[in-house]
Amino acid sequence: AQSVTQLGSHVSVSEGALVLLRCNYSSSVPPYLFWYVQYPNQGLQLLLKYTSAATLVKGINGFEAEFKKSETSFHLTKPSAHMSDAAEYFCAVSGLQGAQKLVFGQGTRLTINP
Amino acid sequence: DGGITQSPKYLFRKEGQNVTLSCEQNLNHDAMYWYRQDPGQGLRLIYYSQIVNDFQKGDIAEGYSVSREKKESFPLTVTSAQKNPTAFYLCASSPSTGPNQPQHFGDGTRLSIL
Repeated sequence: AQSVTQLGSHVSVSEGALVLLRCNYSSSVPPYLFWYVQYPNQGLQLLLKYTSAATLVKGINGFEAEFKKSETSFHLTKPSAHMSDAAEYFCAVSGLQGAQKLVFGQGTRLTINP
Repeated sequence: DGGITQSPKYLFRKEGQNVTLSCEQNLNHDAMYWYRQDPGQGLRLIYYSQIVNDFQKGDIAEGYSVSREKKESFPLTVTSAQKNPTAFYLCASSPSTGPNQPQHFGDGTRLSIL
């Protein structure tokens, strides 16, 4: 079955430290990949998307992600964490089970320590 | 500002009762979606609609129904057949259902059982 796996349901980093949130997908065709952020009791907001134009994708709030086909990965990074980055992050992929469907990972909750 | 409005923010259901969640968008998007979010499970697709008067079942449609009589509106009814309705429900829209289209989300409705 095709799927998206986010390694680590909880990640904790210190303010100013590197943020690394992991996402792996399974696909037999080149996928479209997305990262979304969710703050408490709110909907999801798009951080960035990969649509095959470039393997390194820059998003909002200083986040970026690199598509690595050989590793089937699309990890999200930010060089320096800020307290306002505390939220839940979702990786999603489309093009796997029909053009209309986004398949979401289970989510990673990011905590920032002062 | 353009966006997606979900109402109510909180909703309580009694045993054997149907309840309807509202979703309205003023983004002029063709496609609309309903997701269910449970802790630790990411988002799961309930129903989606590509165009007015047309909709398709997602992965967990049992116990739910939808209608799409107007482009801007996509209400979701949680019927008494849905035995475990307690969850956070998110509505989304996109310009079309192409695989590279990011989805825009509302702020959700939290449904609980009385």
